[in-house]
Amino acid sequence: EEQLLESGGGLVQPGGSLRLSCAASGFSFGGYAMTWVRQAPGKGLEWVSLISTSGSSTFYATSVKGRFTISRDNSKDTLYLQMTTLRAEDTAVYYCASAYGVLPHYYHFDYWGQGTLVAVSS
Amino acid sequence: QSVLTQPPSVSGAPGQRVTISCTGSSSNIGAGYHIHWYQQLPGTAPKLLIFGNTNRPSGVPDRFSGSKSGTSASLAITGLQAEDEADYYCQSYDSSLSAYVFGAGTKVTVL
Repeated sequence: EEQLLESGGGLVQPGGSLRLSCAASGFSFGGYAMTWVRQAPGKGLEWVSLISTSGSSTFYATSVKGRFTISRDNSKDTLYLQMTTLRAEDTAVYYCASAYGVLPHYYHFDYWGQGTLVAVSS
Repeated sequence: QSVLTQPPSVSGAPGQRVTISCTGSSSNIGAGYHIHWYQQLPGTAPKLLIFGNTNRPSGVPDRFSGSKSGTSASLAITGLQAEDEADYYCQSYDSSLSAYVFGAGTKVTVL
């Protein structure tokens, strides 16, 4: 069974940093692009970042570009999101998901983790 | 403001058919990018419901169907059931934003 398990969330002060991890099992992690999607409390889904299968290509939403860094370790079947200069508006549940499609612009997100909560507050 | 516009809510009685629209523009749906749909039950992670405009993943009942035309897409639920109460999101890619985009979500209520 395909599983994604996020960890690393928590309470952090504005301007602080946090690193999220997403451990994959039950599928060929290295064969999938991976993505982070977040959901602020009571709000909708917002795409955050995506990384190619090899990790050589990365993409970011404008709202996090320059502050967040996505990476992956295919030898450990693990995805990461390094978040710096955190703001109150970054408060959300962060989901990792696998991304698949005929071409990158056609990607859908098929396997999802249960999410980890990041709260940015003083 | 989402670039993909969905109605905030739709409702129907058990057994009825409901549809959820997702309206975009020439830089996303109208550009030919695929539309995908997700179901999010209360307190849970989103689940892929429809991919590539019309395709259902294994295990998704055929009561759920997707369609696309021009700059819009729709999700139809036939034979509505109480367990279908959830939030539904459409998703695509936008070339102007160079980003994957979601609609704001539609809450389906079973009366």
